[in-house]
Amino acid sequence: NAGVMQNPRHLVRRRGQEARLRCSPMKGHSHVYWYRQLPEEGLKFMVYLQKENIIDESGMPKERFSAEFPKEGPSILRIQQVVRGDSAAYFCASSPSPSTTEAFFGQGTRLTVV
Amino acid sequence: AQTVTQSQPEMSVQEAETVTLSCTYDTSESDYYLFWYKQPPSRQMILVIRQEAYKQQNATENRFSVNFQKAAKSFSLKISDSQLGDAAMYFCAYRRDQTGANNLFFGTGTRLTVIP
Repeated sequence: NAGVMQNPRHLVRRRGQEARLRCSPMKGHSHVYWYRQLPEEGLKFMVYLQKENIIDESGMPKERFSAEFPKEGPSILRIQQVVRGDSAAYFCASSPSPSTTEAFFGQGTRLTVV
Repeated sequence: AQTVTQSQPEMSVQEAETVTLSCTYDTSESDYYLFWYKQPPSRQMILVIRQEAYKQQNATENRFSVNFQKAAKSFSLKISDSQLGDAAMYFCAYRRDQTGANNLFFGTGTRLTVIP
């Protein structure tokens, strides 16, 4: 059973471009969480999705950021018109149900904005 | 709001010795979960140990154990017989015991160096 897969592992974007980060949860997991880790900081919750639904987006910046988890395919975190301050590691975690204690993390995508 | 505080940005330990990493948290809830995660240079977040707040007994996983003091809202991690592979960032995390609210709140981390 493959773990949580995130791609790409490294992404470089110029200011103003769009960044698309992908997350394929573990098999059988229908709940996905996105976190952002700024340099030398802990992970900060961004958004929680189930298939085709956004359950909690209280940690998402109000502008330029969006997330989806379609019925088929990976979850996507999209950042439009990236700025230098978006440079960070973005982690995805998945769980099989909302009551499951443990979420399993991917290896993250490191976004660098130049 | 839940906050998690790790007051030790860096710690070091001699190989085979014991080290304790500190974590405090703030919550008004009575039921919750606490975690310690390890993040090596590969960036992979690895669950080290988990504690349910309703359990009085401290969790133990091989060389890793916790000292959970609910009244003091303290959750420290003890690593015994430290090994070179234990060198990593360690994050303390909190999660509410509520369906649909299982996102994690993380501390800022402690960087552990193991000295051969």
